[in-house]
Amino acid sequence: AQTVTQSQPEMSVQEAETVTLSCTYDTSESNYYLFWYKQPPSRQMILVIRQEAYKQQNATENRFSVNFQKAAKSFSLKISDSQLGDTAMYFCAFMKGGSQGNLIFGKGTKLSVKP
Amino acid sequence: DSGVTQTPKHLITATGQRVTLRCSPRSGDLSVYWYQQSLDQGLQFLIQYYNGEERAKGNILERFSAQQFPDLHSELNLSSLELGDSALYFCASSVGDDDQETQYFGPGTRLLVL
Repeated sequence: AQTVTQSQPEMSVQEAETVTLSCTYDTSESNYYLFWYKQPPSRQMILVIRQEAYKQQNATENRFSVNFQKAAKSFSLKISDSQLGDTAMYFCAFMKGGSQGNLIFGKGTKLSVKP
Repeated sequence: DSGVTQTPKHLITATGQRVTLRCSPRSGDLSVYWYQQSLDQGLQFLIQYYNGEERAKGNILERFSAQQFPDLHSELNLSSLELGDSALYFCASSVGDDDQETQYFGPGTRLLVL
């Protein structure tokens, strides 16, 4: 069975600074996908970024980028130029390749961006 | 706004009761997924439907059931409710059931069982 671990329950960062959220996963699959979702106080789940395991290049979406280390089974999220609106819970998620596309989530990291 | 709608937003009920949560996927999406978010269990996958057929099952209790209708909306039925069923229930949708598809989440239904 696949597992996703987020070892940082809470983090804080000053506005405009950079922060990195950690995620490790365990799987024996070779074909899979990794995601970061953001859950602000509104509780809506918002996709931040997606990484295909077969791609060596790290995914980037504006201020958000990942460091995908396949051999180490590590998938960290870097937020640059942090903004107050980035305050949220961040969930790392794993999805096995194939037709059953359910997501397996970590416990989340609560990020607070301070002015 | 993801385009996925869920009703109701909030639901308060008593133990032993039965409730139905409704989800309308994004236009054109054929797959619907149900997830439960609770304080002790975190975010857990419950069940997936694709074009009306059950495709995958996760940690869904026998007291819970779901279906997807011809118009592709889905309903999650929770019966014999217990205090521990209090949670945020999310619906997500994707175009197909291929692993290439990204899941987009609705706003959730917050269920409180008293």
